[in-house]
Amino acid sequence: NAGVTQTPKFQVLKTGQSMTLQCAQDMNHNSMYWYRQDPGMGLRLIYYSASEGTTDKGEVPNGYNVSRLNKREFSLRLESAAPSQTSVYFCASSGGSRGRGNQPQHFGDGTRLSIL
Amino acid sequence: GESVGLHLPTLSVQEGDNSIINCAYSNSASDYFIWYKQESGKGPQFIIDIRSNMDKRQGQRVTVLLNKTVKHLSLQIAATQPGDSAVYFCAENSGGSNYKLTFGKGTLLTVNP
Repeated sequence: NAGVTQTPKFQVLKTGQSMTLQCAQDMNHNSMYWYRQDPGMGLRLIYYSASEGTTDKGEVPNGYNVSRLNKREFSLRLESAAPSQTSVYFCASSGGSRGRGNQPQHFGDGTRLSIL
Repeated sequence: GESVGLHLPTLSVQEGDNSIINCAYSNSASDYFIWYKQESGKGPQFIIDIRSNMDKRQGQRVTVLLNKTVKHLSLQIAATQPGDSAVYFCAENSGGSNYKLTFGKGTLLTVNP
């Protein structure tokens, strides 16, 4: 099973460039999430999508936009990259629902992004 | 600030020993907790979860204990192996229907052969 797939795995950008990080899951999950992870820190939520057609801000949404393209795909866009956005970005999905309650989030292996 | 934190940022154990990783949470409304393992260069991997109506849950070589009175969570790994070396994160869901998680900063577990 592929689970959660993120592309690209690595990217280097110049300040001001734009970039879209792609994420797809094959587990038929309703909820999808984007996190960033900085050295020595836990994961911080950027945006999430509780269901197809909805998106909401997380803890650190500034400088990012998202699109829930369909149930499988959830993309993260940096419109004008800044050095402070250098980080490792993780996408996750969860099968949580009213009927099932909370379920674990399953993560991709990340995109390592450097902004020069 | 962080609503989920760890008492020990690093833990070093001998192969074969049992490991205990601790986590404190501050939100008494949290009703779901998860432990993740993250190896270098990889995404967090689900280990075990527990709901607030339980005090203990066991998996393969792992046990999670939840003490709601003092808002404390722990992960016990039995017979620790070199392959257990990783960063371990606890996370909580503070209720609501969006199934968001708040993560702690992590504990680095090193297993010495």
